[in-house]
Amino acid sequence: SAVISQKPSRDICQRGTSLTIQCQVDSQVTMMFWYRQQPGQSLTLIATANQGSEATYESGFVIDKFPISRPNLTFSTLTVSNMSPEDSSIYLCSVSGIGANTEAFFGQGTRLTVV
Amino acid sequence: SQQGEEDPQALSIQEGENATMNCSYKTSINNLQWYRQNSGRGLVHLILIRSNEREKHSGRLRVTLDTSKKSSSLLITASRAADTASYFCATGEYGNKLVFGAGTILRVKS
Repeated sequence: SAVISQKPSRDICQRGTSLTIQCQVDSQVTMMFWYRQQPGQSLTLIATANQGSEATYESGFVIDKFPISRPNLTFSTLTVSNMSPEDSSIYLCSVSGIGANTEAFFGQGTRLTVV
Repeated sequence: SQQGEEDPQALSIQEGENATMNCSYKTSINNLQWYRQNSGRGLVHLILIRSNEREKHSGRLRVTLDTSKKSSSLLITASRAADTASYFCATGEYGNKLVFGAGTILRVKS
């Protein structure tokens, strides 16, 4: 199993500003993922954070809006840039084990409100 | 993108009753997983069923998988008030990415 610490747990931000969310894992992991959960909705994958290379973004998400860092095997950050009220969501960090059939572990999420 | 629909969208039952949630998906999968989310917080993994398995049990949970129909069900037996949460199915795909269903909100009344 993996224990994930995600900070901040919540924030209220002004539109036009940026917020960086941190994700710290208690063990080295290969795969780290960032998800967005809009109000009342399910989770949508934003990107896969790759150690030593650029993140891989899903359709509809771009690096300029959601830059991601992955400096080592235990840490990643997601920045939500130039925020608008539509960015109000819960953002979740997740890690997965090696292998095709492994469960994922999630941080407690960052509840972001943009005003 | 969402993998498919879950039904029902919401379910309200009495404590002690069984709760059944269904999930459909669209593509080929390595596995299908079920997660619970309490009050918009982090997700907790419940059970993983591989694409070559048809049924799996864990405590009060029973999961079935029908790959021919691209569907799965989660049964919670003898429900408790503490089972009140949102439940999501997710299909495990290439690169260990998860594609989530729309979710079912379960309310267990005591």
